[in-house]
Amino acid sequence: AQSVTQLGSHVSVSEGALVLLRCNYSSSVPPYLFWYVQYPNQGLQLLLKYTSAATLVKGINGFEAEFKKSETSFHLTKPSAHMSDAAEYFCAVSDRSKSTFGDGTTLTVKP
Amino acid sequence: NAGVTQTPKFQVLKTGQSMTLQCAQDMNHNSMYWYRQDPGMGLRLIYYSASEGTTDKGEVPNGYNVSRLNKREFSLRLESAAPSQTSVYFCASSAYGEDEQFFGPGTRLTVL
Repeated sequence: AQSVTQLGSHVSVSEGALVLLRCNYSSSVPPYLFWYVQYPNQGLQLLLKYTSAATLVKGINGFEAEFKKSETSFHLTKPSAHMSDAAEYFCAVSDRSKSTFGDGTTLTVKP
Repeated sequence: NAGVTQTPKFQVLKTGQSMTLQCAQDMNHNSMYWYRQDPGMGLRLIYYSASEGTTDKGEVPNGYNVSRLNKREFSLRLESAAPSQTSVYFCASSAYGEDEQFFGPGTRLTVL
């Protein structure tokens, strides 16, 4: 069985501030981990993925995430938030046949 | 490439009516998925198909049926719609089960 917990359903930051979105997972097999972003009235788009290569993964739009096996975490960060980053973010874990998604974190960016 | 397409975009049903949501992908992907998205509950997997000719239940399959018509198409059927099925439905596909998924634009379904 696999599961994902996203800590904080809403995160608010000021433009230019650090973005940190937290994700913890559980998996019975070595995990494949993903972060997706969803803009209003759209489907999800891939931000980045971890597939057991480098533990620090760089994605699109300046986002990155670090896989920490000892903490079973895969937190998403961006050094400087932009207004266009306001969206809902989902962490997901794959067991090789299907993915399980977290409940999502809504990111608000204040001017 | 159109990616993943879904029809219809919006639908209103009365309780007890039936309908089929259509999904197609043009990326030659093996795996396809149906999710529902409800506020505060993330995406919940309804059914998935790891390859043409196979389908498996996900987390919330009750009240739904699926058909993997061919490699491109994966449809979701509601035989007797209920208000609890009011949701946004997303279809997705991936090359294989462990790969990133590509999502369609969604279908907003309201059951009165």
